[in-house]
Amino acid sequence: GQNIDQPTEMTATEGAIVQINCTYQTSGFNGLFWYQQHAGEAPTFLSYNVLDGLEEKGRFSSFLSRSKGYSYLLLKELQMKDSASYLCAVRDPTGANNLFFGTGTRLTVIP
Amino acid sequence: EAGVAQSPRYKIIEKRQSVAFWCNPISGHATLYWYQQILGQGPKLLIQFQNNGVVDDSQLPKDRFSAERLKGVDSTLKIQPAKLEDSAVYLCASSLGGNADTQYFGPGTRLTVL
Repeated sequence: GQNIDQPTEMTATEGAIVQINCTYQTSGFNGLFWYQQHAGEAPTFLSYNVLDGLEEKGRFSSFLSRSKGYSYLLLKELQMKDSASYLCAVRDPTGANNLFFGTGTRLTVIP
Repeated sequence: EAGVAQSPRYKIIEKRQSVAFWCNPISGHATLYWYQQILGQGPKLLIQFQNNGVVDDSQLPKDRFSAERLKGVDSTLKIQPAKLEDSAVYLCASSLGGNADTQYFGPGTRLTVL
């Protein structure tokens, strides 16, 4: 089976740094994705990790440790527009190589 | 490049009625997905198509849900008859295909069943 855990809600201050954690237990592993979803909108792709380590893309970075079944998304220099839900999704190669999503972390950025 | 298109954006129906959603993927994307996202949860895959063939429909409630992608491009998802618990956002996504490709999502259809 697949189990993906993320905190339900987080609050952080504008200009600060926030780390959103994701732990997973899946039958197989073929990559981990982070998506951003603003209220009432579609998820948009942020990052993809398949090997251990840190991937940096502007203000956003994502880290993966396959041995620990752990990932985090790091957001730097927070802006008000970063208030959104952040979805962690794992691709499981058993079966049809599908994505399995966590419930998402709702981040609120306050002034 | 145009994104994934979906219609309608919103739909309100009464239980036991039928409803259909339409999706047009990004041009050239071979793989198309339908997800159900209930409020406060992550998207859950309903069905995956590769061109016009079904790759995975293991989580599709086949007694009431059906989907097709007859020409391997756009797709329709139907619910007949609808139940209260079907109230959700129905997201369509597409990808080029392949082992590590990224899925791109459409804006979704918000369904309310009364």
